[in-house]
Amino acid sequence: GNSVTQMEGPVTLSEEAFLTINCTYTATGYPSLFWYVQYPGEGLQLLLKATKADDKGSNKGFEATYRKETTSFHLEKGSVQVSDSAVYFCALPPAAGNKLTFGGGTRVLVKP
Amino acid sequence: DTGVSQDPRHKITKRGQNVTFRCDPISEHNRLYWYRQTLGQGPEFLTYFQNEAQLEKSRLLSDRFSAERPKGSFSTLEIQRTEQGDSAMYLCASSFRGGGTGGVNVLTFGAGSRLTVL
Repeated sequence: GNSVTQMEGPVTLSEEAFLTINCTYTATGYPSLFWYVQYPGEGLQLLLKATKADDKGSNKGFEATYRKETTSFHLEKGSVQVSDSAVYFCALPPAAGNKLTFGGGTRVLVKP
Repeated sequence: DTGVSQDPRHKITKRGQNVTFRCDPISEHNRLYWYRQTLGQGPEFLTYFQNEAQLEKSRLLSDRFSAERPKGSFSTLEIQRTEQGDSAMYLCASSFRGGGTGGVNVLTFGAGSRLTVL
């Protein structure tokens, strides 16, 4: 079945640093890929998505490109802010069914 | 539209007690999902409904857990005879999926109900 693996955290970096969170997937076909973010004390929010190979999702300065050749969907941001401190989850739907399967999450802490 | 609402936000209970969580999805969404999230982990799927029909249940959903969505709108998740291992954040999400197989199924999550079993 479809599955996703993302880098473990925590990732600690300074404001204005470059952030990359790796996500690789195993999938049948070409499912949509998602990044969700969970700010402290809040539920998950959709950050960005890509629906087909070579698509680039972007939102709030974050970007991720759906790369079928490397089965990856890495999340990047060029200059992080303290407000980006959160847990980031990579997700995809299963081969069959309608739920999302999530990676284990990567905690990011941005220090001023 | 106020998003997905969950109640209560926090629940502390003693082992062996029953607890019930409620989820009010976005009104036009026909699908509703329950997930469980333990500290430091990603959300794990529990069950989902399309309208009032419960279409899929995870192995994680033991017989102490039951979920309903009687009128295809709000849903409840009940845990009977709670155990300390049930302590987690219970997340509800909803989405709209029309007929056919196309489209992207984007889930909107509520803030979650945190359960602590003493």
